[in-house]
Amino acid sequence: DVKVTQSSRYLVKRTGEKVFLECVQDMDHENMFWYRQDPGLGLRLIYFSYDVKMKEKGDIPEGYSVSREKKERFSLILESASTNQTSMYLCASSRTGRRSQPQHFGDGTRLSIL
Amino acid sequence: KNQVEQSPQSLIILEGKNCTLQCNYTVSPFSNLRWYKQDTGRGPVSLTIMTFSENTKSNGRYTATLDADTKQSSLHITASQLSDSASYICVVSPNSGGYQKVTFGIGTKLQVIP
Repeated sequence: DVKVTQSSRYLVKRTGEKVFLECVQDMDHENMFWYRQDPGLGLRLIYFSYDVKMKEKGDIPEGYSVSREKKERFSLILESASTNQTSMYLCASSRTGRRSQPQHFGDGTRLSIL
Repeated sequence: KNQVEQSPQSLIILEGKNCTLQCNYTVSPFSNLRWYKQDTGRGPVSLTIMTFSENTKSNGRYTATLDADTKQSSLHITASQLSDSASYICVVSPNSGGYQKVTFGIGTKLQVIP
């Protein structure tokens, strides 16, 4: 089974801090994704990556950046955390770039910005 | 703007009963529709995918239907179990554009009670 591991289940940070969320997948998948999930809004795509060092903006990239230095690892960075970035963050991976491929999700990081 | 609407927003049923969840979409041109199950505190897990030419697909007690003409899909759960309590998310992909064009529904929260 594909395993997508997010480094923290819960995280509390302060406004203005630089925050790193880490995600690792163990199945040599090409694509990796970062979403945030908020009540009443569903999942929204922040960034995705289709290869090492490659990235594309999703629907809501403002205030975020990403890094993919190795194929198995995809990091989400909040450059200067703000309270409106309090949310559940989900990482996912898929085997190829074909959108018929299922995405495999981690269990999420619940991030609170105080 | 592409939209995916799910109904009902929430549902409570007795264990052993059947239920049907609905997904209406405006995504066009259509490529595929996927149903995910998200247990509380976990990431979504793919249940099934429907392509344009498919009308019905089953995965155990889960049966998905698709009417591409009316742009509607349903997920029918037979003989519900307590473990079916979860949110069910409908995701629709167009056949052009990047992952930014993939649209997630807000989900239906199902609670199965003894």
